[in-house]
Amino acid sequence: DTGVSQDPRHKITKRGQNVTFRCDPISEHNRLYWYRQTLGQGPEFLTYFQNEAQLEKSRLLSDRFSAERPKGSFSTLEIQRTEQGDSAMYLCASSLVGTAGELFFGEGSRLTVL
Amino acid sequence: DQQVKQNSPSLSVQEGRISILNCDYTNSMFDYFLWYKKYPAEGPTFLISISSIKDKNEDGRFTVFLNKSAKHLSLHIVPSQPGDSAVYFCAASALGQFYFGTGTSLTVIP
Repeated sequence: DTGVSQDPRHKITKRGQNVTFRCDPISEHNRLYWYRQTLGQGPEFLTYFQNEAQLEKSRLLSDRFSAERPKGSFSTLEIQRTEQGDSAMYLCASSLVGTAGELFFGEGSRLTVL
Repeated sequence: DQQVKQNSPSLSVQEGRISILNCDYTNSMFDYFLWYKKYPAEGPTFLISISSIKDKNEDGRFTVFLNKSAKHLSLHIVPSQPGDSAVYFCAASALGQFYFGTGTSLTVIP
C-alpha cells in the first residue's frame, strides 16, 4: 500500500497527558498537511510542510501543539497537556507541488480525551 | 471566518436521478477547487477538481461547474448510484493552502 498512513488510528487518553501521532506520506510527495476534523465540520487546517520546512501554522495550533517533519519524510504531531476540546479526528494529507495539487488523505487518527 | 461554505447539510436523491451539490466561496484568490468524498471512519478521498481558468470539468458520471462571477461551484452526479452515498466536501486552494466546507451528506435511495 503506497497511500498515506497514520498511526495510531485511535487514541484514548486522560486529560493532561501528552499524545503523539505519526504520518507517513506518499513517498514522492513533498508537501504534508495536518488537519483536524470534528463532527459535522469539514477538515480544519492546522499546519503544513514543504519538505522539512514548516511553512504555515494555523491560529488553531496553540502552543500545546507541535509538528515536525525531520528529513522531509514522515511527520509527527504532538499534543501536550491534552484537553477535552482536543478530542477530534486528526487527518494527515500529502501532495506534490506542481501538480493540480489535490490532497491525498490518510485514514486519520481519532483522539478521545477523557 | 468560513471561506468555503456548503449550505446544505444533507441531500436525498433517488437512484438514477441527478445529484447536485453546491458550494460557495468568498476568496477570489482561490486557483483550484476540489471535491472530496468521505465514508465513515475513513479519510476524505479526492473526486474531481477544476482550475479557476475553466468553467467545467467532467470525469465519467461526475461534472464540476465553476461560476467565478457568482463565486459558486457545483458537483453534478448523474446517474446517482447507492454507492455514491457519502459526505461530500468542497475545497478551495490558494498558495498551497486548502480550505474545506462543512460537507453535504448525500443519500442515494435505491
